[in-house]
Amino acid sequence: GESVGLHLPTLSVQEGDNSIINCAYSNSASDYFIWYKQESGKGPQFIIDIRSNMDKRQGQRVTVLLNKTVKHLSLQIAATQPGDSAVYFCAENRAGGSNYKLTFGKGTLLTVNP
Amino acid sequence: EAQVTQNPRYLITVTGKKLTVTCSQNMNHEYMSWYRQDPGLGLRQIYYSMNVEVTDKGDVPEGYKVSRKEKRNFPLILESPSPNQTSLYFCASSSTREGNEQYFGPGTRLTVT
Repeated sequence: GESVGLHLPTLSVQEGDNSIINCAYSNSASDYFIWYKQESGKGPQFIIDIRSNMDKRQGQRVTVLLNKTVKHLSLQIAATQPGDSAVYFCAENRAGGSNYKLTFGKGTLLTVNP
Repeated sequence: EAQVTQNPRYLITVTGKKLTVTCSQNMNHEYMSWYRQDPGLGLRQIYYSMNVEVTDKGDVPEGYKVSRKEKRNFPLILESPSPNQTSLYFCASSSTREGNEQYFGPGTRLTVT
């Protein structure tokens, strides 16, 4: 499949462990954040989102935490499975949702070892 | 099946030869966008559109043009491609302007020699 990036931060975990992927953002005016998963050779897929008036949001096996004080976002994956191996991107909407302008982070490569 | 399609999937061309990458979505989404993906740089937004005939620049619009004459189509035009436009390109569409649940196409690998 296509290589989606070189020199990415990487995280390697054992199957069944929990994974935490981190993202720092720079614009304190950003008020909407999204996590995407990109498998090799495919386009990114939406995982979960969070607005700045929240500090935590949970989905199926995933939790996003937002710390506005230090402009930090994290994605927690519970009971990580081999199918979770992918590159994970955070994205921020810098216009507070007033337009469709998104800025993506550089991504983290998650490898799940069986 | 809900999908975003792009054509071509792979293209090798020469400097200065105009090309168009097509993008089409079947979900009746108002919002569409083009991104380029380069090693170590993540995805960068080139242009986006919030409705028919409404387009705006993203973070890296230089050297690109777009048009949105119909809701379903959002072609990316490179009038005079240069080697620094060699990249992996993704088209996306969304039902919301925040971009949540944004659907991405399969990507177009462009090489400009």
